Amino acid sequence: GENVEQHPSTLSVQEGDSAVIKCTYSDSASNYFPWYKQELGKGPQLIIDIRSNVGEKKDQRIAVTLNKTAKHFSLHITETQPEDSAVYFCAASTGNYGQNFVFGPGTRLSVLP
Amino acid sequence: GAVVSQHPSRVICKSGTSVKIECRSLDFQATTMFWYRQFPKQSLMLMATSNEGSKATYEQGVEKDKFLINHASLTLSTLTVTSAHPEDSSFYICSAKSDGGYTFGSGTRLTVV
Repeated sequence: GENVEQHPSTLSVQEGDSAVIKCTYSDSASNYFPWYKQELGKGPQLIIDIRSNVGEKKDQRIAVTLNKTAKHFSLHITETQPEDSAVYFCAASTGNYGQNFVFGPGTRLSVLP
Repeated sequence: GAVVSQHPSRVICKSGTSVKIECRSLDFQATTMFWYRQFPKQSLMLMATSNEGSKATYEQGVEKDKFLINHASLTLSTLTVTSAHPEDSSFYICSAKSDGGYTFGSGTRLTVV
């Protein structure tokens, strides 16, 4: 089955700096890769996603890149703000949005003011 | 956007009792909903896939007689933790598939004392 790894497990950056979180997946059939932000005591919120037919997608300060050959994808957050502090999960799935998907172990991002 | 409502947000119950958690899709119909369990500082682990009008599909290692799932309508799935024990204490999260992808509920913190 699919296995998703995520690094780093924790990340601290200064406000205004950029943050990068990287994920790798094992199943070459995976074709949908969402990123979720989870704040303490809340459910995950989708922040950006990318399909396998696209190499990069950007939404304001957030961008995701995908390298299907290497089977890895990354989340890039620019001009970080304290409210970006949360746990971020990547995921990989197959099919059109997938019946279910496998989450990475998560990255705890702390943005220091 | 799609909204998934989950109740209760927190519940404390005595060991041996049962607890029901509800997951509702508010503005869309969800033939498929998913139930996850999340331990502190860990990722989300899929417990089961809930299908409207049919039996749920449980992941390996999840006791179907302990975690009863009912998906009686296109907007409601329930998870009942039967004969709860302290080791069942966890954060339970549901999600539903909409046109825009997967939307998660806000989660339920279950504490069994």
